[in-house]
Amino acid sequence: EVQLVESGGGLVQPGRSLKLSCAASGFTFSNYYMAWVRQAPKKGLEWVATISTSGSRTYYPDSVKGRFTISRDNAKSSLYLQMNSLKSEDTATYYCARFITGGHYFDYWGQGVMVTVSS
Amino acid sequence: DIVLTQSPALAVSLGQRATISCRASQSVSTSSYNLMHWYQQKPGEQPKLLIYDASNLASGIPVRFSGSGSGTDFTLTINPVQADDIATYYCQQSRELPLTFGSGTKLEIK
Repeated sequence: EVQLVESGGGLVQPGRSLKLSCAASGFTFSNYYMAWVRQAPKKGLEWVATISTSGSRTYYPDSVKGRFTISRDNAKSSLYLQMNSLKSEDTATYYCARFITGGHYFDYWGQGVMVTVSS
Repeated sequence: DIVLTQSPALAVSLGQRATISCRASQSVSTSSYNLMHWYQQKPGEQPKLLIYDASNLASGIPVRFSGSGSGTDFTLTINPVQADDIATYYCQQSRELPLTFGSGTKLEIK
């Protein structure tokens, strides 16, 4: 059974940093692209980042480019999201998701972790 | 960016057909694929993949869910609707970056 478990969320002040983690199990992690998707309170879904199997290629929307960094450790079956220069508009639930490269969609999602950016 | 437009809500009776639409601001189809995907999100839960590439049923999803469409107009159909289908449904395009989602359609029971 595919399982994705996020951790590392919490309350952080504007301008500060936070690092999220996602522990994967139930599949061969190193064979899959992975991604982060977020959802602001009572809002829709927003793609945040995608990373290739080796970690050599990463992709971001303009809203987080230059502030967020996605990375992975295949030996630990773990995915990370380093978030710097956080803004109030980054407040959201962050989901780790397995990314299917054939069609570029997300086939499994974690339960999500809440990040609140506030002073 | 490709904008996906969905109606905010849809009310249907149990046992009836629900048709949820998603319109893209430009074509999301290639010569080989229709790059539109559908997710279900129940309150307090993570999204779940229902349909990929416009019409392919994801693993474990009941056959009463189906998808259709091409170009800019896509439809998710639930027939018949059951009480467990109460959720918000999102479309997502992968024709180009950034990947974008529709704003979601909340399915309600009449």
